[in-house]
Amino acid sequence: DIQMTQSPASLSASLGKTVTIECRASEDIYNGLAWYQQEPGKSPQLLIYNADRLHTGVPSRFSGSGSGTQYSLKIDSLQSEDVASYFCQQYYDYPPTFGGGTKLELK
Amino acid sequence: EVQLVESGGGLVQPGRSLKLSCVASGFTFSDYNMAWVRQAPKKGLEWVATISYDGRRTYYRDSVKGRFTISRDNAKRILHLQMDSLRPEDTATYHCARDGHGYTPNWFAYWGQGTLVTVSS
Repeated sequence: DIQMTQSPASLSASLGKTVTIECRASEDIYNGLAWYQQEPGKSPQLLIYNADRLHTGVPSRFSGSGSGTQYSLKIDSLQSEDVASYFCQQYYDYPPTFGGGTKLELK
Repeated sequence: EVQLVESGGGLVQPGRSLKLSCVASGFTFSDYNMAWVRQAPKKGLEWVATISYDGRRTYYRDSVKGRFTISRDNAKRILHLQMDSLRPEDTATYHCARDGHGYTPNWFAYWGQGTLVTVSS
Protein backbone atom coordinates (compact mmCIF):
# COMPACT_ATOMS: atom_id res chain seq x y z
CA ASP A 1 0.00 0.00 0.00
CA ILE A 2 1.12 3.59 -0.61
CA GLN A 3 1.74 5.37 2.69
CA MET A 4 0.79 9.04 3.00
CA THR A 5 2.66 11.08 5.61
CA GLN A 6 1.08 14.41 6.43
CA SER A 7 2.65 17.27 8.39
CA PRO A 8 2.24 18.99 10.69
CA ALA A 9 -0.28 17.04 12.78
CA SER A 10 -1.56 20.30 14.24
CA LEU A 11 -1.16 23.93 13.35
CA SER A 12 -2.10 27.23 14.96
CA ALA A 13 -2.23 30.47 12.94
CA SER A 14 -3.72 33.95 13.08
CA LEU A 15 -6.54 35.31 10.95
CA GLY A 16 -5.28 36.65 7.62
CA LYS A 17 -2.10 34.58 7.64
CA THR A 18 -0.99 31.97 5.11
CA VAL A 19 -0.62 28.33 6.14
CA THR A 20 0.86 25.37 4.31
CA ILE A 21 0.22 21.67 4.93
CA GLU A 22 2.51 19.03 3.46
CA CYS A 23 1.86 15.49 2.30
CA ARG A 24 4.51 12.97 1.30
CA ALA A 25 3.77 9.72 -0.52
CA SER A 26 5.90 6.59 -0.09
CA GLU A 27 6.23 6.38 -3.89
CA ASP A 28 5.49 8.50 -6.95
CA ILE A 29 1.71 9.03 -7.22
CA TYR A 30 1.82 11.06 -10.45
CA ASN A 31 -0.41 13.89 -9.17
CA GLY A 32 -3.14 11.47 -8.10
CA LEU A 33 -3.75 13.47 -4.94
CA ALA A 34 -6.77 15.09 -3.33
CA TRP A 35 -7.22 17.36 -0.30
CA TYR A 36 -10.27 17.38 1.97
CA GLN A 37 -11.50 19.70 4.70
CA GLN A 38 -13.46 18.30 7.65
CA GLU A 39 -15.07 20.82 9.97
CA PRO A 40 -15.81 19.60 13.52
CA GLY A 41 -18.80 17.25 13.57
CA LYS A 42 -19.20 17.27 9.79
CA SER A 43 -18.32 15.01 6.88
CA PRO A 44 -15.23 15.64 4.73
CA GLN A 45 -15.52 18.05 1.81
CA LEU A 46 -13.36 17.88 -1.31
CA LEU A 47 -11.11 20.91 -1.82
CA ILE A 48 -8.53 19.93 -4.42
CA TYR A 49 -8.07 17.03 -6.87
CA ASN A 50 -5.33 16.12 -9.36
CA ALA A 51 -2.97 17.89 -6.94
CA ASP A 52 -3.87 21.41 -8.06
CA ARG A 53 -7.45 21.50 -9.40
CA LEU A 54 -9.96 23.41 -7.28
CA HIS A 55 -13.28 21.61 -6.70
CA THR A 56 -16.47 23.45 -7.60
CA GLY A 57 -17.37 26.18 -5.12
CA VAL A 58 -14.10 26.08 -3.18
CA PRO A 59 -12.71 29.58 -2.41
CA SER A 60 -9.65 30.61 -4.40
CA ARG A 61 -7.63 31.18 -1.22
CA PHE A 62 -7.12 27.40 -1.25
CA SER A 63 -4.48 26.07 -3.63
CA GLY A 64 -2.60 22.83 -4.17
CA SER A 65 0.78 22.08 -5.66
CA GLY A 66 3.42 19.40 -5.92
CA SER A 67 4.53 16.44 -7.95
CA GLY A 68 6.11 13.03 -7.56
CA THR A 69 6.01 12.19 -3.87
CA GLN A 70 5.70 15.71 -2.39
CA TYR A 71 2.49 17.77 -2.28
CA SER A 72 1.20 20.76 -0.39
CA LEU A 73 -2.03 22.60 0.40
CA LYS A 74 -1.83 26.36 0.92
CA ILE A 75 -4.50 28.50 2.52
CA ASP A 76 -4.07 32.24 1.95
CA SER A 77 -5.64 34.90 4.13
CA LEU A 78 -6.87 32.47 6.81
CA GLN A 79 -10.54 32.87 7.76
CA SER A 80 -12.35 31.71 10.91
CA GLU A 81 -14.35 29.20 8.87
CA ASP A 82 -11.11 27.48 7.87
CA VAL A 83 -10.78 25.98 11.37
CA ALA A 84 -10.99 22.29 10.55
CA SER A 85 -8.98 19.14 9.98
CA TYR A 86 -7.39 18.62 6.58
CA PHE A 87 -6.57 15.28 4.95
CA CYS A 88 -4.67 14.32 1.83
CA GLN A 89 -5.56 11.19 -0.17
CA GLN A 90 -3.75 9.36 -2.95
CA TYR A 91 -5.79 7.68 -5.66
CA TYR A 92 -2.97 6.62 -7.95
CA ASP A 93 -3.43 3.01 -6.91
CA TYR A 94 -5.63 0.72 -4.85
CA PRO A 95 -6.13 0.87 -1.97
CA PRO A 96 -6.76 4.63 -1.83
CA THR A 97 -4.97 5.89 1.28
CA PHE A 98 -5.23 9.00 3.41
CA GLY A 99 -2.74 11.06 5.37
CA GLY A 100 -3.15 11.17 9.14
CA GLY A 101 -4.66 14.67 9.07
CA THR A 102 -3.74 18.19 10.14
CA LYS A 103 -5.83 19.99 12.75
CA LEU A 104 -5.87 23.73 12.07
CA GLU A 105 -6.74 26.11 14.88
CA LEU A 106 -6.77 29.87 15.27
CA LYS A 107 -4.10 31.53 17.33
CA GLU B 1 -27.67 19.25 -5.45
CA VAL B 2 -25.85 15.99 -4.76
CA GLN B 3 -27.14 14.25 -1.64
CA LEU B 4 -26.01 11.01 -0.04
CA VAL B 5 -27.95 9.79 3.00
CA GLU B 6 -26.75 6.79 4.99
CA SER B 7 -28.70 4.63 7.40
CA GLY B 8 -28.45 1.31 9.19
CA GLY B 9 -25.79 1.97 11.80
CA GLY B 10 -26.11 1.02 15.46
CA LEU B 11 -24.72 -0.99 18.35
CA VAL B 12 -23.91 -4.61 17.52
CA GLN B 13 -22.11 -7.43 19.33
CA PRO B 14 -18.82 -8.81 18.00
CA GLY B 15 -19.39 -11.54 15.43
CA ARG B 16 -22.81 -10.26 14.43
CA SER B 17 -23.93 -8.59 11.18
CA LEU B 18 -25.20 -5.20 10.07
CA LYS B 19 -26.27 -3.80 6.71
CA LEU B 20 -25.73 -0.15 5.81
CA SER B 21 -27.59 1.69 3.07
CA CYS B 22 -26.99 4.96 1.24
CA VAL B 23 -29.64 6.67 -0.88
CA ALA B 24 -28.28 8.95 -3.60
CA SER B 25 -29.89 11.90 -5.38
CA GLY B 26 -28.90 14.90 -7.47
CA PHE B 27 -26.73 13.06 -10.02
CA THR B 28 -26.91 10.12 -12.43
CA PHE B 29 -26.16 7.35 -9.92
CA SER B 30 -25.50 4.68 -12.54
CA ASP B 31 -22.68 6.76 -14.09
CA TYR B 32 -20.45 6.72 -10.99
CA ASN B 33 -18.47 4.29 -8.93
CA MET B 34 -19.43 4.48 -5.26
CA ALA B 35 -17.42 3.88 -2.10
CA TRP B 36 -17.59 3.46 1.66
CA VAL B 37 -15.03 5.30 3.77
CA ARG B 38 -14.92 5.00 7.55
CA GLN B 39 -13.58 7.07 10.40
CA ALA B 40 -12.98 5.62 13.85
CA PRO B 41 -13.76 8.01 16.74
CA LYS B 42 -11.20 10.84 16.86
CA LYS B 43 -9.18 9.10 14.12
CA GLY B 44 -8.39 9.56 10.46
CA LEU B 45 -10.11 8.40 7.29
CA GLU B 46 -9.90 4.83 6.00
CA TRP B 47 -11.21 3.60 2.66
CA VAL B 48 -13.29 0.42 3.01
CA ALA B 49 -14.67 -0.62 -0.38
CA THR B 50 -15.58 0.58 -3.87
CA ILE B 51 -18.06 -0.75 -6.41
CA SER B 52 -17.93 0.13 -10.09
CA TYR B 53 -20.72 2.12 -11.72
CA ASP B 54 -22.19 -1.06 -13.26
CA GLY B 55 -21.68 -3.24 -10.20
CA ARG B 56 -19.36 -5.59 -12.07
CA ARG B 57 -16.22 -4.85 -10.08
CA THR B 58 -15.67 -4.53 -6.37
CA TYR B 59 -12.60 -3.62 -4.36
CA TYR B 60 -11.99 -4.05 -0.62
CA ARG B 61 -9.35 -3.19 1.92
CA ASP B 62 -7.58 -6.29 3.16
CA SER B 63 -8.97 -6.13 6.71
CA VAL B 64 -12.60 -6.46 5.52
CA LYS B 65 -12.17 -8.90 2.61
CA GLY B 66 -14.38 -11.93 3.10
CA ARG B 67 -16.44 -10.17 5.79
CA PHE B 68 -17.93 -7.12 4.03
CA THR B 69 -19.86 -7.02 0.75
CA ILE B 70 -20.55 -3.83 -1.19
CA SER B 71 -23.47 -3.81 -3.61
CA ARG B 72 -25.73 -1.39 -5.44
CA ASP B 73 -29.19 -1.11 -6.98
CA ASN B 74 -28.98 1.42 -9.80
CA ALA B 75 -32.74 1.39 -10.40
CA LYS B 76 -33.36 2.43 -6.79
CA ARG B 77 -30.20 4.59 -6.51
CA ILE B 78 -29.10 2.76 -3.37
CA LEU B 79 -25.66 1.64 -2.22
CA HIS B 80 -25.29 -1.09 0.42
CA LEU B 81 -22.58 -2.43 2.68
CA GLN B 82 -23.26 -5.83 4.23
CA MET B 83 -20.96 -6.26 7.23
CA ASP B 84 -20.58 -9.76 8.71
CA SER B 85 -18.37 -11.13 11.48
CA LEU B 86 -17.99 -7.64 12.90
CA ARG B 87 -15.04 -6.86 15.15
CA PRO B 88 -14.49 -4.09 17.73
CA GLU B 89 -11.94 -2.51 15.38
CA ASP B 90 -14.74 -1.97 12.83
CA THR B 91 -16.24 0.63 15.16
CA ALA B 92 -16.45 3.85 13.13
CA THR B 93 -18.66 6.32 11.34
CA TYR B 94 -19.23 4.93 7.85
CA HIS B 95 -19.57 7.46 5.05
CA CYS B 96 -20.84 6.72 1.59
CA ALA B 97 -18.97 8.70 -1.05
CA ARG B 98 -19.24 9.32 -4.76
CA ASP B 99 -16.19 7.95 -6.50
CA GLY B 100 -15.24 8.44 -10.16
CA HIS B 101 -15.65 6.61 -13.44
CA GLY B 102 -13.87 3.57 -14.82
CA TYR B 103 -11.88 0.94 -13.01
CA THR B 104 -9.19 3.03 -11.32
CA PRO B 105 -9.29 4.78 -7.94
CA ASN B 106 -10.47 8.36 -7.81
CA TRP B 107 -11.07 11.27 -5.50
CA PHE B 108 -14.30 11.36 -3.48
CA ALA B 109 -16.22 14.38 -4.72
CA TYR B 110 -19.21 14.11 -2.39
CA TRP B 111 -19.78 12.48 1.00
CA GLY B 112 -22.77 11.56 3.11
CA GLN B 113 -23.04 12.64 6.74
CA GLY B 114 -22.22 9.12 7.90
CA THR B 115 -23.79 6.45 10.08
CA LEU B 116 -22.15 5.27 13.32
CA VAL B 117 -21.41 1.59 13.80
CA THR B 118 -20.36 0.48 17.29
CA VAL B 119 -19.17 -3.08 17.79
CA SER B 120 -19.14 -3.97 21.47
CA SER B 121 -20.41 -6.60 23.86
